[in-house]
Amino acid sequence: KAGVTQTPRYLIKTRGQQVTLSCSPISGHRSVSWYQQTPGQGLQFLFEYFSETQRNKGNFPGRFSGRQFSNSRSEMNVSTLELGDSALYLCASSLGAVPEAFFGQGTRLTVV
Amino acid sequence: SQKIEQNSEALNIQEGKTATLTCNYTNYSPAYLQWYRQDPGRGPVFLLLIRENEKEKRKERLKVTFDTTLKQSLFHITASQPADSATYLCALDDGSGNTGKLIFGQGTTLQVKP
Repeated sequence: KAGVTQTPRYLIKTRGQQVTLSCSPISGHRSVSWYQQTPGQGLQFLFEYFSETQRNKGNFPGRFSGRQFSNSRSEMNVSTLELGDSALYLCASSLGAVPEAFFGQGTRLTVV
Repeated sequence: SQKIEQNSEALNIQEGKTATLTCNYTNYSPAYLQWYRQDPGRGPVFLLLIRENEKEKRKERLKVTFDTTLKQSLFHITASQPADSATYLCALDDGSGNTGKLIFGQGTTLQVKP
């Protein structure tokens, strides 16, 4: 069974631009969560979507947003990029009722 | 505020020995605790989950304990091998029943020397 797929793997953007990252969960998984990983802060929860609804949200500014489609694929968007947004963005899917999370390879975003 | 600490950033051990990693948490009561392995440039990989009413869980060379009184989990890798070298992360739910939100520790980087 295919794992979690994130695209693109690498991105370089300029300050002030916006970016959209994509995540395709494992087939049958209805929950998709997004995390930001940096050397200083570690893995931090951004938000979770379940059946197209945002179910949980972390402590990130409104520039970070997401959505989930009817096929469970999810996108996250970051607007008005700042240098501090440079990070590895990870998507994880789960069945929803069980907590084990399956992560993708991540998207490495560099803001210059 | 909720806090998770993995008590060492790095751990170096000799091949064949048992590696023991520690995860402590404060200010909340999680329903379960998970351990993940992360290799450089890759996403975390789920290893083990232990629930609040379980004391110990085993999987092959891995063993996890969960002490809700001490608010601590220990993660053991027996007969360690150089291939076990990676960063190990503990993660907990936030105690509110939300299964989709995990709170991670900073990780412990394990180096197993041949």
